[in-house]
Amino acid sequence: GAVVSQHPSWVICKSGTSVKIECRSLDFQATTMFWYRQFPKQSLMLMATSNEGSKATYEQGVEKDKFLINHASLTLSTLTVTSAHPEDSSFYICSATQQGTGELFFGEGSRLTVL
Amino acid sequence: AQSVSQHNHHVILSEAASLELGCNYSYGGTVNLFWYVQYPGQHLQLLLKYFSGDPLVKGIKGFEAEFIKSKFSFNLRKPSVQWSDTAEYFCAVLKAAGNKLTFGGGTRVLVKP
Repeated sequence: GAVVSQHPSWVICKSGTSVKIECRSLDFQATTMFWYRQFPKQSLMLMATSNEGSKATYEQGVEKDKFLINHASLTLSTLTVTSAHPEDSSFYICSATQQGTGELFFGEGSRLTVL
Repeated sequence: AQSVSQHNHHVILSEAASLELGCNYSYGGTVNLFWYVQYPGQHLQLLLKYFSGDPLVKGIKGFEAEFIKSKFSFNLRKPSVQWSDTAEYFCAVLKAAGNKLTFGGGTRVLVKP
């Protein structure tokens, strides 16, 4: 199947710094990309939906100024966690909807640890 | 709000045992239903999906799921599990008119060799 790649897969940063996570669809164009957050032993919670060239739609309770999403092209979306704090430590997963088929593919996730 | 419930958080069973994982959702309209699996250290993979037609859906690796509309359920089954089925399993629901997946809480399955 199609491949969605996230980078970095693991990042550790100091409190107060910003971290950018990339999500790329490697062999297909993605009409829509989704960002999820997964806390330990919990399910995936949708954070935001992004479409190429337009502003992301954030779920209720997700701070858009805290979690900046940029969807620059049909193969790349980025999530920037600004002024990260320890409570932002989590597993962030992206998914992408394949243009044409509508099928959804997931990235391998990025684990963020804020010290 | 739409919710997806997976009744078992943890399941431990021996190889060759049968597996059934429950999934119920609360949305009353037309839905598309999915089961995803996440093996240790790996990303989510699609096991099977239901959009329409035969409510008994067969997926990869010997898994199947049955959609029972009257019960708002989409339970996952496998007649005989293997050690390699150790993973976390997520049920997910997509409103037919929407594009957002809502996930259940997940069920961790441990298959003892």
